[in-house]
Amino acid sequence: GDSVTQMEGPVTLSEEAFLTINCTYTATGYPSLFWYVQYPGEGLQLLLKATKADDKGSNKGFEATYRKETTSFHLEKGSVQVSDSAVYFCALSGPNNAGNMLTFGGGTRLMVKP
Amino acid sequence: KAGVTQTPRYLIKTRGQQVTLSCSPISGHRSVSWYQQTPGQGLQFLFEYFSETQRNKGNFPGRFSGRQFSNSRSEMNVSTLELGDSALYLCASSSGIGETQYFGPGTRLLVL
Repeated sequence: GDSVTQMEGPVTLSEEAFLTINCTYTATGYPSLFWYVQYPGEGLQLLLKATKADDKGSNKGFEATYRKETTSFHLEKGSVQVSDSAVYFCALSGPNNAGNMLTFGGGTRLMVKP
Repeated sequence: KAGVTQTPRYLIKTRGQQVTLSCSPISGHRSVSWYQQTPGQGLQFLFEYFSETQRNKGNFPGRFSGRQFSNSRSEMNVSTLELGDSALYLCASSSGIGETQYFGPGTRLLVL
């Protein structure tokens, strides 16, 4: 079945550092790919998405490019802030699903220190 | 537009009891999905409803059930609660297949 693998955290960075969170997936066909963020005590918020190969999703300074050849969707940000501290989830919605089922990675906790 | 709302936000039950959680989707959204989030298993898909029909179901025992009403509001029920059912239950709504899913704040269930 479909699966998503994320780098394990926590990732601890200083403010203004460069961020990369790795995400790779296994799926048949061409899934849609997503990054969600979860702040303490809250639900998930969609950060960005890409629906086809070579698409780049971007939002709030975060970017991720859909790489079909490496089955990856790594999340990057050039300069993190303390307010970016949260848990980040990579997810996919497979083309073989009859609906909107999301398959999530295990999540990566990001801690940004001032 | 108001976001996805879930009630109650917190719940404490004892083993063997049953519980019903409610989710009100964003106005106009007809798809509602449910997920269970635990530290050990992460985020796992429970089921999805669209226009009152279950469209997808995850790998959970029959104790977990759900339904959707004509106004798109959804409920999920867990019968004969077990300690391992303690989790954050998240609901998400979308306007259709392949459309962005918006999550609610979740219901945190503690089973004692």
